[in-house]
Amino acid sequence: GAVVSQHPSWVICKSGTSVKIECRSLDFQATTMFWYRQFPKQSLMLMATSNEGSKATYEQGVEKDKFLINHASLTLSTLTVTSAHPEDSSFYICSASYQETQYFGPGTRLLVL
Amino acid sequence: QQPVQSPQAVILREGEDAVINCSSSKALYSVHWYRQKHGEAPVFLMILLKGGEQKGHDKISASFNEKKQQSSLYLTASQLSYSGTYFCGTERNSGGSNYKLTFGKGTLLTVNP
Repeated sequence: GAVVSQHPSWVICKSGTSVKIECRSLDFQATTMFWYRQFPKQSLMLMATSNEGSKATYEQGVEKDKFLINHASLTLSTLTVTSAHPEDSSFYICSASYQETQYFGPGTRLLVL
Repeated sequence: QQPVQSPQAVILREGEDAVINCSSSKALYSVHWYRQKHGEAPVFLMILLKGGEQKGHDKISASFNEKKQQSSLYLTASQLSYSGTYFCGTERNSGGSNYKLTFGKGTLLTVNP
């Protein structure tokens, strides 16, 4: 139980384009999902908290107009990186709250050329 | 406020033991331990909720001290599969946070044959 999927696992895009990442809870409903960013050999940095049916809560320093989050259902949250630039290249991981903790998706590697 | 993990890295031979510490300057509601292998998402190990609590399965256990400001993860008779980066995630407020966690910088554990 408590399986979270992410799609795509890898994406390469040109600078200026937008990229959408999907996060799904496969065997449970998640009213809250979280989006993290992780640089090589560094910790998990929380970007935003996604709540089903309401606006996401962004951490300080995260541009909400650049990282659009939509949590339209109890099993799906999406992160859209708008007008991506090379500095947005990173490992993006989502997680979902379930039974007092968070379960993580497999992550999405984004490379912006 | 990010919890402090120590040590930053540890190298073991198979069968040896290790302790990883996670401390906070403020009282915590819960501590969550995860292991992340290179290129993969973090995998949930265990959660500690009560001061003085100890938990474990197989040869990995953890404790949460009475003042609820420090947790330790104990790995005994280490196996090659234990290699990875261990993160503690801390939760300061009970209820309403939907298990929003702040993660330490991680401890890189390498188990050699």
